[in-house]
Amino acid sequence: ETGVTQSPTHLIKTRGQQVTLRCSSQSGHNTVSWYQQALGQGPQFIFQYYREEENGRGNFPPRFSGLQFPNYSSELNVNALELDDSALYLCASSFRRDSYEQYFGPGTRLTVT
Amino acid sequence: KQEVTQIPAALSVPEGENLVLNCSFTDSAIYNLQWFRQDPGKGLTSLLLIQSSQREQTSGRLNASLDKSSGRSTLYIAASQPGDSATYLCAVRRDTGRRALTFGSGTRLQVQP
Repeated sequence: ETGVTQSPTHLIKTRGQQVTLRCSSQSGHNTVSWYQQALGQGPQFIFQYYREEENGRGNFPPRFSGLQFPNYSSELNVNALELDDSALYLCASSFRRDSYEQYFGPGTRLTVT
Repeated sequence: KQEVTQIPAALSVPEGENLVLNCSFTDSAIYNLQWFRQDPGKGLTSLLLIQSSQREQTSGRLNASLDKSSGRSTLYIAASQPGDSATYLCAVRRDTGRRALTFGSGTRLQVQP
């Protein structure tokens, strides 16, 4: 049991809407990374947050944004949803920014119609 | 840009067989390589992590090797069991501050009882 939880489990949205996905990190972890996994593909890095600051970003447009809170829970926000945003969104937390041990949550399945 | 390829995309074997999953990457300047397991509807579970200075890592029936110069890694599973059925993902990490992972698309393994 990794202790990383994500909500909601599934979500259906309409193109053009906005969505917020949530991640609760494992206790004591100050770093969280978000990944997008399209069906049949490997996860792609969106961004990482360390102590409430963005600490690196992948090749995703600005309409993908995030927040990390003082209790190290995290949100992923996506504006102006597109059909291609349909995917499994995974968060992964780690004890330190430079730690290689990342613990993944079960993911949120987002469907955009 | 780093690209990670996994072959085969899918594999079905009878229980008890030994099998090899392949992973190749285009940029040999990696910091480490990690193998993950993903069960349907679940997050990722780390199996093995190999630092760039290492040649292999073993855990139980799993053995992962790394040939950094040729850009290849293999995951060897001995005496496969139906419980090994899952998608296996390899991911490489560059030596950057954000510790982002670049994933392959995975190999879907089905072990028949």
